[in-house]
Amino acid sequence: GENVEQHPSTLSVQEGDSAVIKCTYSDSASNYFPWYKQELGKRPQLIIDIRSNVGEKKDQRIAVTLNKTAKHFSLHITETQPEDSAVYFCAASRGWAGNMLTFGGGTRLMVKP
Amino acid sequence: DTGVSQDPRHKITKRGQNVTFRCDPISEHNRLYWYRQTLGQGPEFLTYFQNEAQLEKSRLLSDRFSAERPKGSFSTLEIQRTEQGDSAMYLCASSPTAGTRRETQYFGPGTRLLVL
Repeated sequence: GENVEQHPSTLSVQEGDSAVIKCTYSDSASNYFPWYKQELGKRPQLIIDIRSNVGEKKDQRIAVTLNKTAKHFSLHITETQPEDSAVYFCAASRGWAGNMLTFGGGTRLMVKP
Repeated sequence: DTGVSQDPRHKITKRGQNVTFRCDPISEHNRLYWYRQTLGQGPEFLTYFQNEAQLEKSRLLSDRFSAERPKGSFSTLEIQRTEQGDSAMYLCASSPTAGTRRETQYFGPGTRLLVL
């Protein structure tokens, strides 16, 4: 089955700096890669996703890159703000055909004002 | 708010008791998923339904766990003879089966279970 590794497990940055979280996956058939943000005691919320037919996707301060050959994908947050502090999870799936998500272990991001 | 809802939000039970959780998906979503999340970990897949059919079950879903979605709308997850190791957050998610967002899973707030 799929295995998703996520690094780092914790990340502390100063407000305004950039943050990068990296994930690797094992199943070459995976083709859908979402990122979720989970604040303490709340539901995971989708912040951005990418499909395997594109290499990069951007949405305001958030971007995701995908390297299919190396089987890794990364989340980039620029101009971090204190409200970005949360746990971020990457995930992988075979898309609609095999829909279960396999999650990484999570990254606790702390943005210091 | 027409998002995914779950009930109860918290459940404390004694070891050996049975518990049942309910999930109401987003109304037009045909697919419904159950995940389990322990402290400090990512969610782990348990099972999923398309309409009323249970299409996949994880090996994590022991014979003490059963899930149903009788009319293809809400779903229930029952744990029989609870054990302390069952303590976790049980998350439900739903997704559509058509359109550009058909891979996207929208999560509910979860039911936090504590087994004493």
